[in-house]
Amino acid sequence: AQSVTQPDIHITVSEGASLELRCNYSYGATPYLFWYVQSPGQGLQLLLKYFSGDTLVQGIKGFEAEFKRSQSSFNLRKPSVHWSDAAEYFCAVGTGTASKLTFGTGTRLQVTL
Amino acid sequence: DTGVSQNPRHKITKRGQNVTFRCDPISEHNRLYWYRQTLGQGPEFLTYFQNEAQLEKSRLLSDRFSAERPKGSFSTLEIQRTEQGDSAMYLCASSLGTEGNSPLHFGNGTRLTVT
Repeated sequence: AQSVTQPDIHITVSEGASLELRCNYSYGATPYLFWYVQSPGQGLQLLLKYFSGDTLVQGIKGFEAEFKRSQSSFNLRKPSVHWSDAAEYFCAVGTGTASKLTFGTGTRLQVTL
Repeated sequence: DTGVSQNPRHKITKRGQNVTFRCDPISEHNRLYWYRQTLGQGPEFLTYFQNEAQLEKSRLLSDRFSAERPKGSFSTLEIQRTEQGDSAMYLCASSLGTEGNSPLHFGNGTRLTVT
């Protein structure tokens, strides 16, 4: 069965600083990979997705992620964080035809001014 | 695109009572999913429908839980004889397509508190 690990429970960065959130997955074949963001009391919003092709994918709100097969990773990055980016970020892996996603436990991002 | 709509947003109930949640997916989406999210955790898959057919149920979905999507449009999730451990955010999502790479669009969830 597939699994997702987000090793950082909580990260604090200063506004304007760069950001990298880590995600490692476990799956035997090439997975479908997603990053979602969740604000308090809200549902999840899709930031970006990787299916195949170019391993560097661009998403909304200035986020990007890079798929590295050799490291089983799909880390999320942003060159300059804004205070409005404070939220919970979830990495997810999908397999097969079901679009049934397995989520990591999330990383809570705090942005200091 | 009006998004995925879930009602109610919050539900407080006493242990042992039955509750029902409703989800209205994005209109053209053929797949509908239910997830449960507890504090500090990522969402966990419960079940999903393709049109009106319920294709998969998680082992997390005990016999007290039942979901329906009678006409392939909206869906309901019912929990019978609620327990305190059922307290969680229940998220609905929908997608278009039949492949695993179809992104899920989530609603804002229904937060259930069992007292």
